[in-house]
Amino acid sequence: GAVVSQHPSRVICKSGTSVKIECRSLDFQATTMFWYRQFPKQSLMLMATSNEGSKATYEQGVEKDKFLINHASLTLSTLTVTSAHPEDSSFYICSARRMLFVGEGAVPYQETQYFGPGTRLLVL
Amino acid sequence: AQSVAQPEDQVNVAEGNPLTVKCTYSVSGNPYLFWYVQYPNRGLQFLLKYITGDNLVKGSYGFEAEFNKSQTSFHLKKPSALVSDSALYFCAVRGASGTYKYIFGTGTRLKVLA
Repeated sequence: GAVVSQHPSRVICKSGTSVKIECRSLDFQATTMFWYRQFPKQSLMLMATSNEGSKATYEQGVEKDKFLINHASLTLSTLTVTSAHPEDSSFYICSARRMLFVGEGAVPYQETQYFGPGTRLLVL
Repeated sequence: AQSVAQPEDQVNVAEGNPLTVKCTYSVSGNPYLFWYVQYPNRGLQFLLKYITGDNLVKGSYGFEAEFNKSQTSFHLKKPSALVSDSALYFCAVRGASGTYKYIFGTGTRLKVLA
């Protein structure tokens, strides 16, 4: 099946530093990736949609200058938490959208999001 | 607006018994519905999805889900629960209108008791 990896799996940093999290689709190309945040015992909250070669689309209430997203290739999106603070501590999960086509130029007949294993960020 | 509801925070079931995890949805147009499972400190694993076709969808690890349009439900089921099925289960919906955002339910913790 489709595999999405995240690196690092855990990171502890001091307040005020920046942290970069990578999301890679290992066996398929993903023009669209998504970044979620999950608080303990809560559901996933979509933060932003990462589009290859263009600017990310942020959800309402998510600071784009705080959470920088770069989708430089069809298999890699990065989320950088800038000037991290303790309230940024959370579990960050990415997903990559895989589309399957029949023939060239056809409308995708199947689309599924595959999720990475998550990155636990602790800001001291 | 799209939404997903998982009315139960937790479901307890004895090993070997059938299990059901409930999900209802609200979406304009035809829904794309998904079930994912999350183990502690792990990402989400895809279980199954409904886009079109048969209302009974079979997925990974013996799970299945039944799409019921009149009741706007997509309950997850398994005929015989295993202790290893204990995890957090999320239902998600994606509208078929062109947006690719998934809306997740609040999750249901399943505990299978030996």
